[in-house]
Amino acid sequence: QKEVEQNSGPLSVPEGAIASLNCTYSDRVSQSFFWYRQYSGKSPELIMSIYSNGDKEDGRFTAQLNKASQYVSLLIRDSQPSDSATYLCAVYGNNRLAFGKGNQVVVIP
Amino acid sequence: DGGITQSPKYLFRKEGQNVTLSCEQNLNHDAMYWYRQDPGQGLRLIYYSQIVNDFQKGDIAEGYSVSREKKESFPLTVTSAQKNPTAFYLCATSGRGGENTEAFFGQGTRLTVV
Repeated sequence: QKEVEQNSGPLSVPEGAIASLNCTYSDRVSQSFFWYRQYSGKSPELIMSIYSNGDKEDGRFTAQLNKASQYVSLLIRDSQPSDSATYLCAVYGNNRLAFGKGNQVVVIP
Repeated sequence: DGGITQSPKYLFRKEGQNVTLSCEQNLNHDAMYWYRQDPGQGLRLIYYSQIVNDFQKGDIAEGYSVSREKKESFPLTVTSAQKNPTAFYLCATSGRGGENTEAFFGQGTRLTVV
């Protein structure tokens, strides 16, 4: 089992809709969970951090963490064309930061 | 200016040549990481360091080497033993423990074998 898994293929959403991304992780002692956004040819930028079970909202972004199910998700509300990017899930545990393969999101005007 | 500086932005390597990628930070972060990204792929961990003079192999360390002689610097050498080095290399830094583990990235170095 991979350390961090993002299994969904490219996601196309109409402008103004909600984009939903999911991530699972294998190590139960993982402590910190992150979502990064990466535009083509650029380095990743941190958009959300979550450390405890439940929801965390920041503007149009909501991260959800369920440690019992080893599951992290990201919701993007009112999707905009500028949200078109690859979203990477990252998990910190055992002094290392591991990433999933990412999900491409395309917002259609 | 605060941040993480990777240099060079583009690097060309001939077959059989060693090259070193620079990563410098002035964020006073303890932890530093090197990742490799191939087209359409996620980030794979090469090496990481939590403190000066200590570092650990990541998932794809073969053909790479690092040093951590100063807190601010974590250079990555791509050796001739790395048979497929063409990729986008990313350096990241973070604090240690709890909510200090948010990691931030440099602008990356794009390495091409010619």
